[in-house]
Amino acid sequence: GQQLNQSPQSMFIQEGEDVSMNCTSSSIFNTWLWYKQEPGEGPVLLIALYKAGELTSNGRLTAQFGITRKDSFLNISASIPSDVGIYFCAGLKDNNNDMRFGAGTRLTVKP
Amino acid sequence: DAGVIQSPRHEVTEMGQEVTLRCKPISGHNSLFWYRQTMMRGLELLIYFNNNVPIDDSGMPEDRFSAKMPNASFSTLKIQPSEPRDSAVYFCASSRGTAGTQYFGPGTRLLVL
Repeated sequence: GQQLNQSPQSMFIQEGEDVSMNCTSSSIFNTWLWYKQEPGEGPVLLIALYKAGELTSNGRLTAQFGITRKDSFLNISASIPSDVGIYFCAGLKDNNNDMRFGAGTRLTVKP
Repeated sequence: DAGVIQSPRHEVTEMGQEVTLRCKPISGHNSLFWYRQTMMRGLELLIYFNNNVPIDDSGMPEDRFSAKMPNASFSTLKIQPSEPRDSAVYFCASSRGTAGTQYFGPGTRLLVL
């Protein structure tokens, strides 16, 4: 089952606002991933983080691998309507095939 | 490059029927994963293969579910007999090596009536 606590569950924001979401766990993960899922599609990888403390950007998206290796956050700056979707965090443990997902953050952006 | 390919995209069937879902991983990827997604339980790993060999099937709900990977470019997930509670979106994902990042297919939306 899921071991990741993702928050918030949902966000309703105005276009242009910044967004922040995070994932926490009681376990240590060696890799953190952030995916975005749009209606009718599978999750698409946004950012992968491989080292504690790592801060990685992908356009308007920035994600960080927490120092304790038990958390990660994702920021979206200057949101636009096409940012709408469900964002999932995922953590990989030692064997890297045991990937756990958060429950997702549903983002709605009002034009 | 083609991503993970799944078929069918949608499946509606009656309780008791056999359902077969298909997946073609990304070429060069040697790990393949089957997931189920529902509103109640989110994304759940059902089974994964490495080099065509099933490694962990502890997530398979019950004996009605079975998965095969006869070669590096094809896998099936079969449900026999299907039940209404099997209704969900089933995703296939693949990765390069056991430490690789997983890339997901578009999913198969299954509705069992």
